[in-house]
Amino acid sequence: ETGVTQSPTHLIKTRGQQVTLRCSSQSGHNTVSWYQQALGQGPQFIFQYYREEENGRGNFPPRFSGLQFPNYSSELNVNALELDDSALYLCASSQIAGAGYEQYFGPGTRLTVT
Amino acid sequence: RKEVEQDPGPFNVPEGATVAFNCTYSNSASQSFFWYRQDCRKEPKLLMSVYSSGNEDGRFTAQLNRASQYISLLIRDSKLSDSATYLCVVNRGNDMRFGAGTRLTVKP
Repeated sequence: ETGVTQSPTHLIKTRGQQVTLRCSSQSGHNTVSWYQQALGQGPQFIFQYYREEENGRGNFPPRFSGLQFPNYSSELNVNALELDDSALYLCASSQIAGAGYEQYFGPGTRLTVT
Repeated sequence: RKEVEQDPGPFNVPEGATVAFNCTYSNSASQSFFWYRQDCRKEPKLLMSVYSSGNEDGRFTAQLNRASQYISLLIRDSKLSDSATYLCVVNRGNDMRFGAGTRLTVKP
């Protein structure tokens, strides 16, 4: 196991609602990245947090936002949920910021928007 | 054109077979390359990083061809437990770009 944990495991929300997903990074890792994985697709990069600051962002609208805390854990917030937001949300931690370093994934949160 | 492209498969091979996957990428500035495996409804797990000189880890060998912008993964002596989806990953700045994956099924 990677030591990266995520909560909750599953979540069902209604269109228009807001959701917060949580991630605890592996011990010794200071960087957390978030990904969205739709069925049959590879993960898509949402953003990365390093030292409590956003350190790169993918092609996602501003209603996707995040936080990182002093203990390096992180939250992903999604406002005004849409049906297309239904996906597996993965966080990954790494020792060094950027994308050139090995990232280790948590088990994911499966979000269903109805 | 997708930034990272993989043959989706599925590849169905018997135990003991050798199987190879290719992945092409479009961003010539990419510097870091990885292979991950993902079991059904699970998270991706790092299989190996891919270095310019190529690298081997047991039955798995990864190669990088920068001139042609492709990465390969070779699995020798396939085991039933190798059945999974294999994801090619290429960096784009701070962004890791994943291919859609190649599905492998190893049969007895």
